[in-house]
Amino acid sequence: NAGVTQTPKFQVLKTGQSMTLQCAQDMNHEYMSWYRQDPGMGLRLIHYSVGAGITDQGEVPNGYNVSRSTTEDFPLRLLSAAPSQTSVYFCASSHKPGTGIPEAFFGQGTRLTVV
Amino acid sequence: GEDVEQSLFLSVREGDSSVINCTYTDSSSTYLYWYKQEPGAGLQLLTYIFSNMDMKQDQRLTVLLNKKDKHLSLRIADTQTGDSAIYFCADSRGGKLIFGQGTELSVKP
Repeated sequence: NAGVTQTPKFQVLKTGQSMTLQCAQDMNHEYMSWYRQDPGMGLRLIHYSVGAGITDQGEVPNGYNVSRSTTEDFPLRLLSAAPSQTSVYFCASSHKPGTGIPEAFFGQGTRLTVV
Repeated sequence: GEDVEQSLFLSVREGDSSVINCTYTDSSSTYLYWYKQEPGAGLQLLTYIFSNMDMKQDQRLTVLLNKKDKHLSLRIADTQTGDSAIYFCADSRGGKLIFGQGTELSVKP
């Protein structure tokens, strides 16, 4: 059981480049979300999805797009990378509330550097 | 997340108890969580508590919840060097997790 898989693990981008961070889960979770982690700021929610075809903005959505065409996949797109987007990105998934243990499972993270 | 607050650092000696504190603002939170992050790794769920509970104990871990004061704490008994990590509290709102800044626990031998 793979859980939540993020790719790539590391990435260096030049300012202005675009890229997609991939996230896939095999637990049939309804909820998926993307966070960024910066020193001293915890994890901040970028975008989230409560099911296929449904996405919504989190706390820091600017500069990022998401889509949820399938239950399994939730890619995060950086449209035009900026140095302020240098961070560690985590994808998480969970069942919707009321369906078992309300645990969010996290991927191992993508360390992104924008130069 | 600005709605969930933690102190940033805690240092204890091996064998002592550690207490990590957290305050939150959303009174409608259903579950409150403690996650652990070891260096270079993702987050791992340590424990959680339902909002209608006051206390939950799980081996060396004790979670206390004071709903009136919106205060959550995690006590680790007999702290070991392997407990050195960053600990995050989080509350859940409509499928989203809102995290505190994380408390870096340093355990000295």
